[in-house]
Amino acid sequence: EVQLLESGGGLVQPGGSLRLSCTASGFTFGSYAMSWVRQGPGKGLEWVSAISGSGGATYYADSVKGRFTISRDNSESTFYLQMNSLRVDDTAVYYCAKDLGFGGNGAGFGMDVWGQGTTVTVSS
Amino acid sequence: DIQMTQSPSSLSASVGDRVTITCRASQAIGTFLNWYQQTPGKAPNLLIHSASTLQSGVPSRFSGNGFGTDFSLIISSLQPEDFATYYCQQSLHIPWTFGQGTKVEIK
Repeated sequence: EVQLLESGGGLVQPGGSLRLSCTASGFTFGSYAMSWVRQGPGKGLEWVSAISGSGGATYYADSVKGRFTISRDNSESTFYLQMNSLRVDDTAVYYCAKDLGFGGNGAGFGMDVWGQGTTVTVSS
Repeated sequence: DIQMTQSPSSLSASVGDRVTITCRASQAIGTFLNWYQQTPGKAPNLLIHSASTLQSGVPSRFSGNGFGTDFSLIISSLQPEDFATYYCQQSLHIPWTFGQGTKVEIK
């Protein structure tokens, strides 16, 4: 069964750091780009970051650029989101997702497998 | 960034109704348009990718069409399990962006 399992969410103070992990199973992990998508309380979906299958290309939303870092370890079928300098407006459920396909120049074909979500709360 | 605008933001419909949700992109995106369904407390589920390709396992009552800037998601006969929020998403240019969502409620 194709599955993604997130971990690492929690409560953190503004300015703090967290690292989210997403472990994959049931598919050839290194062949696929992966993404993080978040959803603030009562809000819509916001794409956060993506990483190519090899890890050689990374992409970020402007709202997190310079603060968040995406990475992956294909030997462990796991990818990560290191979140630094967290702000109150980073509070959200964070989903990891598998990209259906990934073309050149950042073009993709949708996200076909999603994790269950992990909650990040930034509050003093 | 490409802005995605869905309409309506919400709608009320009955079981068996035909429902159409539209999505407009602020610039042309070819067919790099995807549709997701989300129920409360759950992760989104990919329904259609590349504007009109039904994702494996998705019922055939869902269909999509469009090209360039204007797209539609059609549910031919609404079922009880279809009451949910639907999002479009463009995946041509980073940052990938979503519409604001359309909530389909029971009339």
